[in-house]
Amino acid sequence: GAGVSQSPRYKVAKRGQDVALRCDPISGHVSLFWYQQALGQGPEFLTYFQNEAQLDKSGLPSDRFFAERPEGSVSTLKIQRTQQEDSAVYLCASSLGTSKAFFGQGTRLTVV
Amino acid sequence: AQSVTQLGSHVSVSEGALVLLRCNYSSSVPPYLFWYVQYPNQGLQLLLKYTSAATLVKGINDFEAEFKKSETSFHLTKPSAHMSDAAEYFCAVSRMGANFGNEKLTFGTGTRLTIIP
Repeated sequence: GAGVSQSPRYKVAKRGQDVALRCDPISGHVSLFWYQQALGQGPEFLTYFQNEAQLDKSGLPSDRFFAERPEGSVSTLKIQRTQQEDSAVYLCASSLGTSKAFFGQGTRLTVV
Repeated sequence: AQSVTQLGSHVSVSEGALVLLRCNYSSSVPPYLFWYVQYPNQGLQLLLKYTSAATLVKGINDFEAEFKKSETSFHLTKPSAHMSDAAEYFCAVSRMGANFGNEKLTFGTGTRLTIIP
């Protein structure tokens, strides 16, 4: 596609509900990143994939957060038993590896 | 470990005036440095990057930044502000490597730039 696409753009979840956020990277991009951006803050790294391999998940804040990229293209970030502190914008970025990363518009998650 | 500090969460300048957004970094390894811009409800867009080729880096929309190792700084400037420059700006750092697109970014907390007509 023309750019990194994320869906849904907005998600409201009740506390305790599970959510799944989708990222469609630019076609052919091997590297994929997830970042979490809390209100008024800069993005913070969550996890990194190279193709289907999750090479770094050091930024995932708890075991309620899980990400996958089974075929090395689309990625899903899943949050189980959402809490209010999970409210943030979740950004996905992809790159060829040798060049800059392109960011999607993000998914704004609000936990009520 | 790497970190960046952006001095000033809000900066206001008059249209046509110089824009100066400050960024200082800390890194235990040689860094790559980046400036990103974020417009409301949009993703991050890369303005410019320092990857050790030249200390003065020119980016899009007449923005530029200078890497100063002695000051551990990477301040962003633009000679003449335009109304369309109003946005949130983020400085970021990553490890130096052959494939910087594979490196995670550590961002500052951002500076909101307001342009006064």
